Amino acid sequence: DTAVSQTPKYLVTQMGNDKSIKCEQNLGHDTMYWYKQDSKKFLKIMFSYNNKELIINETVPNRFSPKSPDKAHLNLHINSLELGDSAVYFCASSTRLRDGNTEAFFGQGTRLTVV
Amino acid sequence: AQTVTQSQPEMSVQEAETVTLSCTYDTSESDYYLFWYKQPPSRQMILVIRQEAYKQQNATENRFSVNFQKAAKSFSLKISDSQLGDAAMYFCASQNRDDKIIFGKGTRLHILP
Repeated sequence: DTAVSQTPKYLVTQMGNDKSIKCEQNLGHDTMYWYKQDSKKFLKIMFSYNNKELIINETVPNRFSPKSPDKAHLNLHINSLELGDSAVYFCASSTRLRDGNTEAFFGQGTRLTVV
Repeated sequence: AQTVTQSQPEMSVQEAETVTLSCTYDTSESDYYLFWYKQPPSRQMILVIRQEAYKQQNATENRFSVNFQKAAKSFSLKISDSQLGDAAMYFCASQNRDDKIIFGKGTRLHILP
């Protein structure tokens, strides 16, 4: 079973459209994230949710709105898509283990291309 | 299969000293990226350094540098002049052209004052 599953894998859409990327984790983790990886491969955090509550909200346009209906899901909705939104978006989840270490898993990524 | 192995679950270094974190990987691709990420208690992943596989020159970022041995599939991270703020989990990762990022299990780095 896939630990962190995000759909779709590829998304090609026109400027101005609204699109959503879905993410689900079946690990029972309490924290979920959205990252954006740009063309230079830098992975930047966008949002972090802990138990459905927003805890990290980096400087991203308010066209990006995360939604967490429950602990296992964190979807990303993007309004009025722009060319600069083209990137690979990664969902991730993590939890703190009993020994103090953390466990983190990433989804397979969604390559968004805005034309 | 794409794998990343970090054989050191924990390491300690004296403040101001140098420490090297090990990472080996396996991939059938010829074109790939390698990364070291730092994970502080907030649990977000912070990129420390990246290396394109086609570049022979080792990447450096201030006090952080890598020793990239492509034939041996080794990608170690050297931290010079260790600082207390360097204490964190460090993850080695690889990414092929299909975008999937594979992480190692991490190395917890302790900085001793």
